[in-house]
Amino acid sequence: EPEVTQTPSHQVTQMGQEVILRCVPISNHLYFYWYRQILGQKVEFLVSFYNNEISEKSEIFDDQFSVERPDGSNFTLKIRSTKLEDSAMYFCASSDLANQPQHFGDGTRLSIL
Amino acid sequence: LAKTTQPISMDSYEGQEVNITCSHNNIATNDYITWYQQFPSQGPRFIIQGYKTKVTNEVASLFIPADRKSSTLSLPRVSLSDTAVYYCLVGPYQAGTALIFGKGTTLSVSS
Repeated sequence: EPEVTQTPSHQVTQMGQEVILRCVPISNHLYFYWYRQILGQKVEFLVSFYNNEISEKSEIFDDQFSVERPDGSNFTLKIRSTKLEDSAMYFCASSDLANQPQHFGDGTRLSIL
Repeated sequence: LAKTTQPISMDSYEGQEVNITCSHNNIATNDYITWYQQFPSQGPRFIIQGYKTKVTNEVASLFIPADRKSSTLSLPRVSLSDTAVYYCLVGPYQAGTALIFGKGTTLSVSS
């Protein structure tokens, strides 16, 4: 079964540094998403992306965040100047156009020191 | 989006059938009901989705009464590996739409 893959599985970064989280969505999917889950809390929506544009974003997705589809297979989340509170699991998901469910990767654990 | 209410936790034994009920009194006409499963340190995994009546796949069944104000996820003959958090989500489920997760139901299966 095709799956969403995310790299790295764990990223440790100093506060104030930039970090890029990478995702390879399922190949025929056209909608891409980022979610995060702070330890012990709910899964929270960050952003959805379609046709090289942001479709929807939450209040969490402020100016320090950006997303990009740099080529035909990768989807990235960049955090420009990380804060301690950015420490969380970040999940990428993808879906196709036909109202099918979102499929999630196993996440990148981001630890900000 | 419709608010959902589900038990915080449930306990079961291997081989038993587990039914997790979700209440969604203000479900809208174009809302679907979707269940996800999440293991520790993994992403949510889609289990099943339905609009009305009953839906069954190789993993679970989803029962939705005529008024659609609740739904029940049924897991037949659970095993230890079914220990996870189960989320009930209700929404229009259009492509590109944010999924809104609650706290889910933590299912613990013992031998």
